[in-house]
Amino acid sequence: DTEVTQTPKHLVMGMTNKKSLKCEQHMGHRAMYWYKQKAKKPPELMFVYSYEKLSINESVPSRFSPECPNSSLLNLHLHALQPEDSALYLCASSQRGGGPHTGELFFGEGSRLTVL
Amino acid sequence: KNEVEQSPQNLTAQEGEFITINCSYSVGISALHWLQQHPGGGIVSLFMLSSGKKKHGRLIATINIQEKHSSLHITASHPRDSAVYICAVTSNTGNQFYFGTGTSLTVIP
Repeated sequence: DTEVTQTPKHLVMGMTNKKSLKCEQHMGHRAMYWYKQKAKKPPELMFVYSYEKLSINESVPSRFSPECPNSSLLNLHLHALQPEDSALYLCASSQRGGGPHTGELFFGEGSRLTVL
Repeated sequence: KNEVEQSPQNLTAQEGEFITINCSYSVGISALHWLQQHPGGGIVSLFMLSSGKKKHGRLIATINIQEKHSSLHITASHPRDSAVYICAVTSNTGNQFYFGTGTSLTVIP
């Protein structure tokens, strides 16, 4: 199994809603990532979890709250988002090595978020 | 200045043509990645390489570490190859992953 599974594929939410994005992998990878991608732009790193601990937070606003309940799961909790947060949110994983990005990155299909 | 530069930004080819996408980088790396993204979709890792050349089907990736340059070649291109191809590098500290801005490829039947 070389898949990273993300749910939901599409999400529409209002600015007062609370929702969550989920990501799952069963490759035994110990590093997991959240990226945000706007149209026609490369992905931007948001968070890195290494061995279930948050190791990198790229100054992401607190309305995005990551959670790593175990080594296979990664959540992104969303609250009080703004329309400019509408984007494709990509989860990725890799085997932990000398650094959090060591090794091949495996990406999910992404969750397309629209904030109204 | 981006750590990873790709060229061309956009590329249109006729089906069957040989395609080359170029990538140059300015940082020390432990690996270079070629990624594919179809419109609105997730990202698929095509290659990860640190030296030499790799081949998978109609795709070939090469890297020249001394010149800090990599190329992705597609032989006998097909409309299903239409996608954005992204070059990315892992820094040699392993702490950074830099993306290029991507090359949008359209293959016309």
